Amino acid sequence: GNSVTQMEGPVTLSEEAFLTINCTYTATGYPSLFWYVQYPGEGLQLLLKATKADDKGSNKGFEATYRKETTSFHLEKGSVQVSDSAVYFCALSDPTGGYNKLIFGAGTRLAVHP
Amino acid sequence: EAQVTQNPRYLITVTGKKLTVTCSQNMNHEYMSWYRQDPGLGLRQIYYSMNVEVTDKGDVPEGYKVSRKEKRNFPLILESPSPNQTSLYFCASRVQGKAYGYTFGSGTRLTVV
Repeated sequence: GNSVTQMEGPVTLSEEAFLTINCTYTATGYPSLFWYVQYPGEGLQLLLKATKADDKGSNKGFEATYRKETTSFHLEKGSVQVSDSAVYFCALSDPTGGYNKLIFGAGTRLAVHP
Repeated sequence: EAQVTQNPRYLITVTGKKLTVTCSQNMNHEYMSWYRQDPGLGLRQIYYSMNVEVTDKGDVPEGYKVSRKEKRNFPLILESPSPNQTSLYFCASRVQGKAYGYTFGSGTRLTVV
């Protein structure tokens, strides 16, 4: 079945370091791909999305490119801040169910230190 | 402000005592869904609804019920809660279509003792 695999955390970085969080997926058809962020004590917020191959989603300095050939959607940021500390979820929208189901990875916790 | 509102935020209950977690959205979204979040498992879909009176099971529907009598509301009902339903629950809504992401509520932390 469809699934999402994220790198395990926690990821610990110093402020201004480069961030990569790996995400790969398994899906039939052409899913839409998303990154969500969850700050402590809050719900999930959509960070960025891509709906077809080679699309690049970007927001708040974060980027991810939909790579169909490697079935990946890695999240990157050139210079992280302490305020980026959160849990990041990669997700795909399942095309087999009319895109009604969102399948999440297990989440990757990011901790950024001054 | 566009939002999904869940209530309550925190709930402690005893095994077998029926409870309802409410969810309401003010964005006129057709699609609503419930997820539970457990450590190491990410979020798993419980039920979803594509519109009024149209609901379907997600991946973990056992022990839960839902209803969609109005477009804005999508309550989650636990008829006889058990300790394995202790979890963090999120309601979410979106416009229909592959390109749209969800708007999530702030979550309900449920503890069943």
